[in-house]
Amino acid sequence: DGGITQSPKYLFRKEGQNVTLSCEQNLNHDAMYWYRQDPGQGLRLIYYSQIVNDFQKGDIAEGYSVSREKKESFPLTVTSAQKNPTAFYLCASSIAAAPYEQYFGPGTRLTVT
Amino acid sequence: LAKTTQPISMDSYEGQEVNITCSHNNIATNDYITWYQQFPSQGPRFIIQGYKTKVTNEVASLFIPADRKSSTLSLPRVSLSDTAVYYCLVFSSGSARQLTFGSGTQLTVLP
Repeated sequence: DGGITQSPKYLFRKEGQNVTLSCEQNLNHDAMYWYRQDPGQGLRLIYYSQIVNDFQKGDIAEGYSVSREKKESFPLTVTSAQKNPTAFYLCASSIAAAPYEQYFGPGTRLTVT
Repeated sequence: LAKTTQPISMDSYEGQEVNITCSHNNIATNDYITWYQQFPSQGPRFIIQGYKTKVTNEVASLFIPADRKSSTLSLPRVSLSDTAVYYCLVFSSGSARQLTFGSGTQLTVLP
């Protein structure tokens, strides 16, 4: 059963703590993406990776970090430097030749208090 | 990246055809138009993409006039389960290669 998994679905953290969100795909896609969505808003791109061991900043990368050590995995760390980390985080993947057709995971809702 | 403008919300009734229009006045030559659907607390789902004229798949049609400054997503005979947010995006096949999501159109299908 192919797809993208994100875990956990809900995550709670105290302010000042770093937290890592998991994203795994078994679609054999080269490209992976992280987005953030705030209530009533569209998605904003945080980071994306088109190939293993390489990634680029999106529109709102400050306060976030990523790694791409394996094709299947693209974890996102929300650091304590991120001023407003509470949001819905979505991971996606695509084949390199069709980045307009992205497949999204179920999302992780992060609440920082 | 080309900016898109679409209505904030639309209402329709079951069984009707729904047309959602998106404006993208500064679309570039190597840009494509893409539409996604999102249900609450879920990730968006790709619906359709096109470059010009008309594209049709099993769920929707996409109409793009010759000047490409706008596009219309057409959903035939909507049902209650089509209630969702629909995003119009312009994708650049150039160096940016990013999807930029706006606020989308909240479509509500009424019984």
